[in-house]
Amino acid sequence: EIVMTQSPDTLSVSPGERATLSCRASQTIRSNLAWYQHKPGQAPRLLIYDVSTRATGTPARFSGSGSGTEFTLTISSLQSEDFALYYCQQYDNWPPMYTFGQGTKLEIK
Amino acid sequence: QVRLVQSGAEVKKPGASVKVSCKASGYPFTSYGIHWVRLAPGQRLEWMGWVNVGNDNTKYSPRFQGRVTITRDTSASTAYMELSSLTSEDTALYFCARDVGRSGGTFPYWGQGTQVTVSS
Repeated sequence: EIVMTQSPDTLSVSPGERATLSCRASQTIRSNLAWYQHKPGQAPRLLIYDVSTRATGTPARFSGSGSGTEFTLTISSLQSEDFALYYCQQYDNWPPMYTFGQGTKLEIK
Repeated sequence: QVRLVQSGAEVKKPGASVKVSCKASGYPFTSYGIHWVRLAPGQRLEWMGWVNVGNDNTKYSPRFQGRVTITRDTSASTAYMELSSLTSEDTALYFCARDVGRSGGTFPYWGQGTQVTVSS
């Protein structure tokens, strides 16, 4: 099983500032990496796929980068609605055997 | 538009089974896979398994192998996830999610979630 590890577990940032979230895979996953935003009481929302492609409706302040085993989600100027849980997910296996990171909680500083 | 509507909350006793449904609309049901993902308290999102709706192939996470069964009814555009031998550790919010097709592994569409509580 590919293990996904996110850091930090919690990130405190002020509105308007930049947030950088990291995700590491236990083995190479090429570019098969997605990011989701999750708020309590809602379904997760796909933000980024294939490392850096924004999903439909994802604001341009969200960007993804990385390759192989190290990946980053950057939110350039935090808005109030961005404070949430963020998960990375690998989808490098076929037939599917997908795994998620443990999540990073982005909270208001 | 694409919609996935799940069945309602369930309360089960340890050792019982639960079956959650996921009714799809707004797209050709047999063209995309349906996955099941759960979120237990204090845990990460956990992928449980998948059904290729077109040919009924399935794949399950080893963590749930032997306990989970994912099926689909194409006439009803509905997928199902059944989990057996429930314990308190199976208390979680269960989601169905549709993939992007063609072996794509991301989930742009999700059901609203079904709370399953296992308690004696």
